[in-house]
Amino acid sequence: DADVTQTPRNRITKTGKRIMLECSQTKGHDRMYWYRQDPGLGLRLIYYSFDVKDINKGEISDGYSVSRQAQAKFSLSLESAIPNQTALYFCATSDLGRTDTQYFGPGTRLTVL
Amino acid sequence: GNSVTQMEGPVTLSEEAFLTINCTYTATGYPSLFWYVQYPGEGLQLLLKATKADDKGSNKGFEATYRKETTSFHLEKGSVQVSDSAVYFCALTDTLSGGYNKLIFGAGTRLAVHP
Repeated sequence: DADVTQTPRNRITKTGKRIMLECSQTKGHDRMYWYRQDPGLGLRLIYYSFDVKDINKGEISDGYSVSRQAQAKFSLSLESAIPNQTALYFCATSDLGRTDTQYFGPGTRLTVL
Repeated sequence: GNSVTQMEGPVTLSEEAFLTINCTYTATGYPSLFWYVQYPGEGLQLLLKATKADDKGSNKGFEATYRKETTSFHLEKGSVQVSDSAVYFCALTDTLSGGYNKLIFGAGTRLAVHP
């Protein structure tokens, strides 16, 4: 089984809908991250969490919110989706003692019509 | 702030050709440097890393040397295979408040290797 899983893998939705992307990990890592990937822009950090009680905004957090339900689960929500949120979304984890190395999930491809 | 610039793709090579993907960075302090690889339909995987100047990271025949004097971390492989076709991302650490690190990624370079 994969160490970092994301659901759904693909989602098509309409403008204004609320969407939740979920991430689960079995690596036992404290630190979790949400990134967005757009062609030609690399990956940009949306939110990160260093433990269950710690949530921090990344460089592009507007229009997104997160919830860290447990050490192993970190969800990303789009309260009212808009077309420019169409992208590939990745969850990642890292170990408390080795924060430089991050482990990525397979990604969720989100399309907002 | 810290940033990464990598060569635009796509890079198209024949099998067994030599590969170089250029990466340069701007950073304060002494960041760690990384190459991640993304195979089609998958998430990113760490390919190699270097944590200080003159370190050489290597894995699966790929190499990159941390060059502080030229602020570069170019990825090389002597003989590419079709299975190396993927998108390659250069990245570095950037310090967050509280002393924690995050990763800053380049835009990615797509490599296509043909038989």
